[in-house]
Formats: sequence, C-alpha cells, structure tokens
Amino acid sequence: DTAVSQTPKYLVTQMGNDKSIKCEQNLGHDTMYWYKQDSKKFLKIMFSYNNKELIINETVPNRFSPKSPDKAHLNLHINSLELGDSAVYFCASNQGSMEAFFGQGTRLTVV
Amino acid sequence: AQSVAQPEDQVNVAEGNPLTVKCTYSVSGNPYLFWYVQYPNRGLQFLLKYITGDNLVKGSYGFEAEFNKSQTSFHLKKPSALVSDSALYFCAVRDGNTPLVFGKGTRLSVIA
Repeated sequence: DTAVSQTPKYLVTQMGNDKSIKCEQNLGHDTMYWYKQDSKKFLKIMFSYNNKELIINETVPNRFSPKSPDKAHLNLHINSLELGDSAVYFCASNQGSMEAFFGQGTRLTVV
Repeated sequence: AQSVAQPEDQVNVAEGNPLTVKCTYSVSGNPYLFWYVQYPNRGLQFLLKYITGDNLVKGSYGFEAEFNKSQTSFHLKKPSALVSDSALYFCAVRDGNTPLVFGKGTRLSVIA
C-alpha cells in the first residue's frame, strides 16, 4: 500500500493551460504539504495544510491554488501555466513534528 | 527562520570506505533534524531523524548521524560505503511543527 500517492507521475502541457495534480495519503496524518523541486534539485515548500485548513502559503503565484477536500487529500491546481512552472512537484504528509513521507513526485513540463 | 547548509555539492568515496555528508543548521528553538535520500526519478526516502535523546542516531541502510549542538551540525555517516548508496542526500530541519526546510542537497558518488 502506497503511503502518499500522487497522480499523474508525468504531465506535459502547453503554456496557458490549466492542470491539476492530485495527492492522497493513507497514513492518517493531519498535515499535508506541496513542495517544488526545481532543475537544480532545490526543494521549496509551497503550501502546508493542517486538517484541511491552509496553514502556510509561501510566496507562490496566485495561479497556484491548493484544495483539500478532506485531511487525506491535497490537490494542486495551476492556472495559466508558464514555462517557469516546469519542475517536479512533491506532495508530503506528516504528524506533529515527526518525519514527513513523500509521494513519488509529478514531473511537470510546460512547452 | 530555520535554515540548513550542506557545504558540499558532491562527495566521492571509494566502495568500502567510510563516508560523511555534512550538514549544519540554524533554528531559533529546539531543532528537529532529518536526513532524506533521493534516487533518480524517485521521491524522497526518510533515512533518520534526531528529535531528542542520544546524539548518535541510527537509521536505515546502515546510516547514522551525530547531532552536535555546539557546532549546530548533523553530519550523516556510514562506516562502509556501497555503490548502491550513490544518490542525492538532503538534510532538513524543522522548528516544532513547521514544514521541513531542506538543504540544497549533496550528491554522493561511491566508486567501485
């Protein structure tokens, strides 16, 4: 059983399109995150949700909108995709101050 | 705000030799420290953590790390490197329940 699963694994799309990435965790964790890993492999937090409530929203363009229908799911919707959005997006979850568990990542390529 | 520094972009070591991947941190409160490994085209896998207690923590695949409060360091070590240990290693810190803040990563290359 996969603990944190993201779909799709690969996403290739044209500039200007709108796309969504889905994330589900079956660990019963209260907190979920979206991280972005750029081409230099830097990992940066984008959003943090705790029990469906937005806790942290780093400096991310308004085109990115997370949605958490329940505490096991955290989806990421991106409007008007730009070339610079190309990256690997990781979903993660954790409980309290413990380690986070990561999904396998979604490689987004905007052409 | 918390931060992590991994001073080496790349570490090369011969198979069978000990390895060390360095990490220093900055955090206002008590640090919660983590090491993760990333293999090509894969997600991040948790290796080990320091929350409290013994300064030497042991983790997966024979890795260990030593917490040094005075030097604000949490270096990752393994007594005998394997070729299969070659990967990208990330040190991370959190201050309480805040999200993990990662270092820039260190690429470990173990040569047969």
